[in-house]
Amino acid sequence: GAVVSQHPSRVICKSGTSVKIECRSLDFQATTMFWYRQFPKQSLMLMATSNEGSKATYEQGVEKDKFLINHASLTLSTLTVTSAHPEDSSFYICSARGGADSYEQYFGPGTRLTVT
Amino acid sequence: AQSVSQHNHHVILSEAASLELGCNYSYGGTVNLFWYVQYPGQHLQLLLKYFSGDPLVKGIKGFEAEFIKSKFSFNLRKPSVQWSDTAEYFCAGSYSSASKIIFGSGTRLSIRP
Repeated sequence: GAVVSQHPSRVICKSGTSVKIECRSLDFQATTMFWYRQFPKQSLMLMATSNEGSKATYEQGVEKDKFLINHASLTLSTLTVTSAHPEDSSFYICSARGGADSYEQYFGPGTRLTVT
Repeated sequence: AQSVSQHNHHVILSEAASLELGCNYSYGGTVNLFWYVQYPGQHLQLLLKYFSGDPLVKGIKGFEAEFIKSKFSFNLRKPSVQWSDTAEYFCAGSYSSASKIIFGSGTRLSIRP
């Protein structure tokens, strides 16, 4: 099946710094990638949808200047958390859609961000 | 608004018990439905999906789900659970091929050995 990877799996950063998380589709071309945030013991909340070569579409309440998304190629999307604060600490998960079955999304393993 | 809801937050069962986890979706046109599982410390895995056709869908690991249009439901079932089924289960829906997947709040399943 389709594989999606994320890097890094865990990151700790200081308040005020920026962190970049990468999401890669390893064996298929992802025309669309999604970024989710998951708080402990809660569900996945969609943050934004990105299509290759165009600007991301952010969900209501998500600050686009704080969570920068770039989908520069069909296999890579990046999420940059700018000027991170402790409340940004969370589990960030990406998913990718594309290939023969465009109804289904394939999820990455997630990135645990801790802001101190 | 399009939504997916799961009413059971935490279900505790003994091994070999039968399982049914509830999932309801709101009306919003054609819907594709999914059940995902997240084992402790692992990423989301697809258990099964419904797009069209036979409303009884069989997935991996002995799970199945039934799409009942009149009840807007897509409940997950397993006749006999195992300790290894301990995980978080998410129902999700997509209202068109081009749209996002909306997740339910999840149900934590704990199995007593």
